[in-house]
Amino acid sequence: DAGVTQSPTHLIKTRGQHVTLRCSPISGHKSVSWYQQVLGQGPQFIFQYYEKEERGRGNFPDRFSARQFPNYSSELNVNALLLGDSALYLCASSILDRALSGYTFGSGTRLTVV
Amino acid sequence: AQRVTQPEKLLSVFKGAPVELKCNYSYSGSPELFWYVQYSRQRLQLLLRHISRESIKGFTADLNKGETSFHLKKPFAQEEDSAMYYCALSAQETSGSRLTFGEGTQLTVNP
Repeated sequence: DAGVTQSPTHLIKTRGQHVTLRCSPISGHKSVSWYQQVLGQGPQFIFQYYEKEERGRGNFPDRFSARQFPNYSSELNVNALLLGDSALYLCASSILDRALSGYTFGSGTRLTVV
Repeated sequence: AQRVTQPEKLLSVFKGAPVELKCNYSYSGSPELFWYVQYSRQRLQLLLRHISRESIKGFTADLNKGETSFHLKKPFAQEEDSAMYYCALSAQETSGSRLTFGEGTQLTVNP
């Protein structure tokens, strides 16, 4: 099992552009969560999807959106990029939509907005 | 709203010494507490969860609801314990299961 895979690993975008980040969960995991980790801080929750439905949304502006596909993979979209969106974006998958089932994290996508 | 505080950004100990990484939380309901660890150039991974009451790699953590703490302890630190440690909380009452992370403690175990 390849674990949670995220693509791309690194990305450089210009302010105002749009970005799409992708995540493939571990086989059999139906829940995908997205986190933003700014340098020097802990990860901050953005979204959780379970069985293709949004189960939770963090305190992020509407420029951030996500979806989950029938194969349980997920995309995170960010519109009108700002310099402050520069961060490591982490995807985590789990069997259930509960943290107790244990989240497995991907290695992340490093987004730099210039 | 829930909040997790890790008061020490950096912690340095010598090999064989006891180590305690502090974690305090703020949440009015019944929390689920976790410790996640990130070794150099590796992914963030679950170390232990309070409900399991387990010892992983010699680490233990006890949930103290009176003091709202979930400190991580190990009696004899090893060099391979050097890593970034994050305390995290999940609120049972909220829909879904988001994790609220602390800012992390970088543990360095010196030879």
